[in-house]
Formats: sequence, structure tokens, C-alpha cells
Amino acid sequence: KNEVEQSPQNLTAQEGEFITINCSYSVGISALHWLQQHPGGGIVSLFMLSSGKKKHGRLIATINIQEKHSSLHITASHPRDSAVYICAVRWEGADGLTFGKGTHLIIQP
Amino acid sequence: DGGITQSPKYLFRKEGQNVTLSCEQNLNHDAMYWYRQDPGQGLRLIYYSQIVNDFQKGDIAEGYSVSREKKESFPLTVTSAQKNPTAFYLCASSIDGEETQYFGPGTRLLVL
Repeated sequence: KNEVEQSPQNLTAQEGEFITINCSYSVGISALHWLQQHPGGGIVSLFMLSSGKKKHGRLIATINIQEKHSSLHITASHPRDSAVYICAVRWEGADGLTFGKGTHLIIQP
Repeated sequence: DGGITQSPKYLFRKEGQNVTLSCEQNLNHDAMYWYRQDPGQGLRLIYYSQIVNDFQKGDIAEGYSVSREKKESFPLTVTSAQKNPTAFYLCASSIDGEETQYFGPGTRLLVL
């Protein structure tokens, strides 16, 4: 069964720290998404990438297709970054997305 | 304002009842999706539709039904055949089947 694995499951850090969340997947993909889910349940799409690196504000997403691995980085973390971060992939030739279980991030003041 | 709306925010169902969750988008997106989220698990795809009057089963379609009579609307019916319906349901849409998905606020369904 094709799988998406995220690590760590839970992460608590101090304000200002550099945060890294990892995502690994089992077979070839056509795209990888990073999503953010806040406590109320709403989900926001952060990035969609198929190669290289993307940056938006303090968020950076990278992907290594050969190693089947992606990372989401948060620079100068802030308590408002506290959320669940979800990695999702579209397998090659497939419809729909397969989601990781999420990384629960807490940034303490 | 463009976006996706889901209603209601909370829904209670009695045993044996069918209930319908609403999803509407005014983004002019062709593709729409329904996902289910359970505690400690990733989102799972229930149904998706890439065009009006057409839809496909996702990974966990049993006990659910959908319709796509209008581009803007993709209602999900949770039937009495769904034995464990308590979950958080999220609707999403995208321009086509391959682009970024935009999510609604979700509906939390509870069985009484």
C-alpha cells in the first residue's frame, strides 16, 4: 500500500526557533502538498510542489524526488504558527490525494 | 468573496438516519472532493468529481453517496449503511484535478 509518513508526530519549540517537518513517501508522485490545519479544523494549502524549492514568507518547502522526501521549514517561528501541518501526495497516474497523519506543532512564547 | 462553504458546522444524526452535508463553491472550480478525518488519522478520500454530472469513488466510499448536478455544489449523503459516521468531513475544490485544493471549514458529524 502506498504510504505517506510524517515526522515528528508532535513538536514543541520556543518562539524564534527554526522548525523542520519531514515527509517521506513510498513511490513516484506527480505533486506534493503541504497544508496547515488550525484548531478549529479549517485547512489552508501552503505549497504545492513537484521539484526544487518554494518560499512564502517565513515558510520554505523543499522536495527531493530521488529520495522521495520533502521538508517544510519555518524560520523565526511564532506562536501563531501553532497548528497541524499535513503532507499530501498525488501518486503518479492516480486521482485524489493521500495524506500523512500530520505533525502537531506548538510554538511557546 | 470567493470560497467554499460547508453547512452545517455541526450535525447530529440518529441511528438509521440519512443525513446530507452541503458543500458550495463560487470559485468556478471544476473538481470537487469530499474527505473524512478521524482523530490520529490522515484525511481519507470519500468521493471526488472532476466535472458536472460525473463522480468517482475514493478510498472509503461505502456508506456514502454524492451528486454533482451543478458545478457549484457537491452534496454528500451519509447513509444508514455507514456504520461509523462520526467524523470531521471536509470538502475541497480545485481548478482541475491536478492543481491546489482549497478546503471548506468542515462539518463535524455526531451520531446520537
